[in-house]
Amino acid sequence: DTAVSQTPKYLVTQMGNDKSIKCEQNLGHDTMYWYKQDSKKFLKIMFSYNNKELIINETVPNRFSPKSPDKAHLNLHINSLELGDSAVYFCASSQGAVYNEKLFFGSGTQLSVL
Amino acid sequence: SQKIEQNSEALNIQEGKTATLTCNYTNYSPAYLQWYRQDPGRGPVFLLLIRENEKEKRKERLKVTFDTTLKQSLFHITASQPADSATYLCALSSSASKIIFGSGTRLSIRP
Repeated sequence: DTAVSQTPKYLVTQMGNDKSIKCEQNLGHDTMYWYKQDSKKFLKIMFSYNNKELIINETVPNRFSPKSPDKAHLNLHINSLELGDSAVYFCASSQGAVYNEKLFFGSGTQLSVL
Repeated sequence: SQKIEQNSEALNIQEGKTATLTCNYTNYSPAYLQWYRQDPGRGPVFLLLIRENEKEKRKERLKVTFDTTLKQSLFHITASQPADSATYLCALSSSASKIIFGSGTRLSIRP
C-alpha cells in the first residue's frame, strides 16, 4: 500500500480553470503538507495542517485553498489557474508538527497550465 | 534571508568511488539537517537526519557530517553504485523555522 498517495499524477488544463489535487496518507500521521517544486527543483512549503488545523500558511495566492476533511486527507483546490502555477505539487506527511520530523512524500502531481 | 546552496547542479563519478555532496547555508542556525533522495517522477525519500550537536551520522554506505562553524554539511556515499544515481536534497530546520530545502545535486554514477 502506498503510504502517501496523491491524484492525479498529471494535470493539464487551460488558464482560468479551477482544479483540485487530492492527497491521502495511511501512516496514521497527524501532520500533512503541500509543497511546490518549481523548474529549478526548489521545494517550497505552501501549507501545513496538524490534526485538521492549519498551522503553516505561506505567502501563497488566495487562489490556492487547502482543505483537510480529516487528518488522513489534505486536498488542494486552485482557482483561476495561471501559467505561473505550472509546477510539480507534492503532498507530504509527518508524525507530528515538530520541526525535526522526517517527511514522507507522495509521488507528486505535475500541473501544466496552457 | 536564509539561503541553502548545494554544490554543483550535477556530479558525475565512477562506480566504486566515494561521492561527496555539499550543503552550505547562510543566515540560518539550524538545529537539524536532513538529507533526502529524489528519483525522476517521484517524491523525495528521507535518508538521514543529523542534529546540531552531532558531528557525524552513518547508515550503511551513507555518512553525513554537520559543521555548524563552517555552516556546512557533507553527504558521502561510499562504494557508489549506478543505482545511487538520483538527486539528493538537503533540508534544514530549527525550532523557530519550518523545514527549508536546497535545490538538490543530481548525482550520476557511471559503470
